[in-house]
Amino acid sequence: EDKVVQSPLSLVVHEGDTVTLNCSYEVTNFRSLLWYKQEKKAPTFLFMLTSSGIEKKSGRLSSILDKKELFSILNITATQTGDSAVYLCAVATNDYKLSFGAGTTVTVRA
Amino acid sequence: NAGVTQTPKFQVLKTGQSMTLQCAQDMNHEYMSWYRQDPGMGLRLIHYSVGAGITDQGEVPNGYNVSRSTTEDFPLRLLSAAPSQTSVYFCASQRGGQGSYGYTFGSGTRLTVV
Repeated sequence: EDKVVQSPLSLVVHEGDTVTLNCSYEVTNFRSLLWYKQEKKAPTFLFMLTSSGIEKKSGRLSSILDKKELFSILNITATQTGDSAVYLCAVATNDYKLSFGAGTTVTVRA
Repeated sequence: NAGVTQTPKFQVLKTGQSMTLQCAQDMNHEYMSWYRQDPGMGLRLIHYSVGAGITDQGEVPNGYNVSRSTTEDFPLRLLSAAPSQTSVYFCASQRGGQGSYGYTFGSGTRLTVV
């Protein structure tokens, strides 16, 4: 059975802090790893990672994948209150099915 | 483009009632899926489809039926609603193939079974 584990489950930081979210996985027929942000409604797409060691960056967010050790991290630098959300990690298999982790709830305090 | 459209947004059912959650996408995506989201459990796959006429079960299919008669539509049927089906339901679609990006999600349906 495919498994995706995220840590920590939740964290509280102050504006300006840097956060690092972790995602480890065990799946068969790995295709890609995806990060989503969810703010009380539908998940919105952040990154898709398919190759090891290549950092993807979007503004203050960045992510990297290690296919040998089977994990990914999502970094958020200079956090803002608008970064408060649940961050979901998902792994897609070759048949395009997604397996999600339970999510990490990030709360950024002003 | 409307993207992925789900209806209704909210629904309250009595135990034993049946209903259909609608999902439509206008992006000509091959792949469509239904997920349910419960507190602390992330999203779990109910059913998915790799094209019109082709469906398969996901992780939690019991109590749900799907069909895919067209590329655009992927309705989810609850046969006899139970309180355990109280959840938020998301439909998602993806183009598939080389260079495809992550699934696009609909805005969700919040279902309460009493």
